[in-house]
Amino acid sequence: SYELTQPPSVSVSPGQTASITCSGDKLGDKYACWYQQKPGQSPVLVIYQDSKRPSGIPERFSGSNSGNTATLTISGTQAMDEADYYCQAWDSILVVFGGGTKLTVL
Amino acid sequence: EVQLVESGGGLVQPGGSLRLSCAASGFTFSSYWMHWVRQAPGKGLVWVSRINSDGSSTSYADSVKGRFTISRDNAKNTLYLQMNSLRAEDTAVYYCARVHYYGSGSYAVDYWGQGTLVTVSS
Repeated sequence: SYELTQPPSVSVSPGQTASITCSGDKLGDKYACWYQQKPGQSPVLVIYQDSKRPSGIPERFSGSNSGNTATLTISGTQAMDEADYYCQAWDSILVVFGGGTKLTVL
Repeated sequence: EVQLVESGGGLVQPGGSLRLSCAASGFTFSSYWMHWVRQAPGKGLVWVSRINSDGSSTSYADSVKGRFTISRDNAKNTLYLQMNSLRAEDTAVYYCARVHYYGSGSYAVDYWGQGTLVTVSS
């Protein structure tokens, strides 16, 4: 079965750029999505189709996907961005999630 | 406004059964594929099952295959998950999720319910 691997945690200082990676075999041949989940809340889609932002998602969120790695980048990270982030791709018609990355803003 | 409201969660003994429901509103339910995703306490998101728009095609994660059944009633705008032979490891918050097609072969979950907690314990 297809697997996606994320680092368990990433730390960033306020105002700096945070990068969260997601690795999978030939992931660049698939579309990657990213979800943000804050404690006690449901996930929220922040990036779809590798690099597109849904309406209402701040411009500081961006994404890329090439080779075996997709990357979520948060520019000018704010305290409100502290959350768990999950990448997601499709293995045929099945959904695959990465294990999640806890982003700490300190 | 799109809304997905899950219900039916609770405490059940190992080996027991539970039926989750997800009431959809604010969109044409019969046009969308729907999924169930679960999250064990303190753990990550795990895909459980999916159903196509008319209910004719379903898929399951290996961990639930043969025990869980996904279904839908498009007349009632409701998605279901029948869970049998429940195990302790099925304990999780279960989310109902809508998949949107963005074109060019791109799909993503654009709406999630608030989740319903299923606890399997004696």
